[in-house]
Amino acid sequence: GAGVSQSPRYKVAKRGQDVALRCDPISGHVSLFWYQQALGQGPEFLTYFQNEAQLDKSGLPSDRFFAERPEGSVSTLKIQRTQQEDSAVYLCASSLLTLAEYSNQPQHFGDGTRLSIL
Amino acid sequence: SQQGEEDPQALSIQEGENATMNCSYKTSINNLQWYRQNSGRGLVHLILIRSNEREKHSGRLRVTLDTSKKSSSLLITASRAADTASYFCATDGGTSYGKLTFGQGTILTVHP
Repeated sequence: GAGVSQSPRYKVAKRGQDVALRCDPISGHVSLFWYQQALGQGPEFLTYFQNEAQLDKSGLPSDRFFAERPEGSVSTLKIQRTQQEDSAVYLCASSLLTLAEYSNQPQHFGDGTRLSIL
Repeated sequence: SQQGEEDPQALSIQEGENATMNCSYKTSINNLQWYRQNSGRGLVHLILIRSNEREKHSGRLRVTLDTSKKSSSLLITASRAADTASYFCATDGGTSYGKLTFGQGTILTVHP
């Protein structure tokens, strides 16, 4: 597609439920990032994929958070046993190449999924 | 946790005026980027400045970088109502794959 697509745009869940958030990056983009943005704050890094390999998951808040990109394109961020502090906007971004191949390239962001935990 | 700080947190100006936003960061970088975010939308890349550059222009945007002070500024000239948005600086922290660390952002309001 023309840009990064995220679905759903809005998700409301009850505390304790599991949720799955989807990201369709720009076709052919090697790098894929997930960020979490709390209200009034800048995005914070969650995890990074290079093709299907998850190379950095240092930003995931707890073991309730799990991300995958099995075929190196679409990615899913799953949150198990959701809690109220998980309420945030979850942003996905992609870039064409790895930084090692081409430094100084921008990331292309989707519009995010706004997650509300009741 | 947020690594950068942006100043001011909010800026309100009239159309036609210039807007200046500042950003400070803590770690070494490969590059520094500025992004814009309209309400309820994702981030849009505006401009990237490399660590060995001091100034860069793109249309009505001018970015400066002072690596000795670990700071950057974004100047938007002749602002328009459509420039109303949140602006974030982001650094890559010198990582090999471009993981970004964002500031808290500046909310810019341009009154017509």
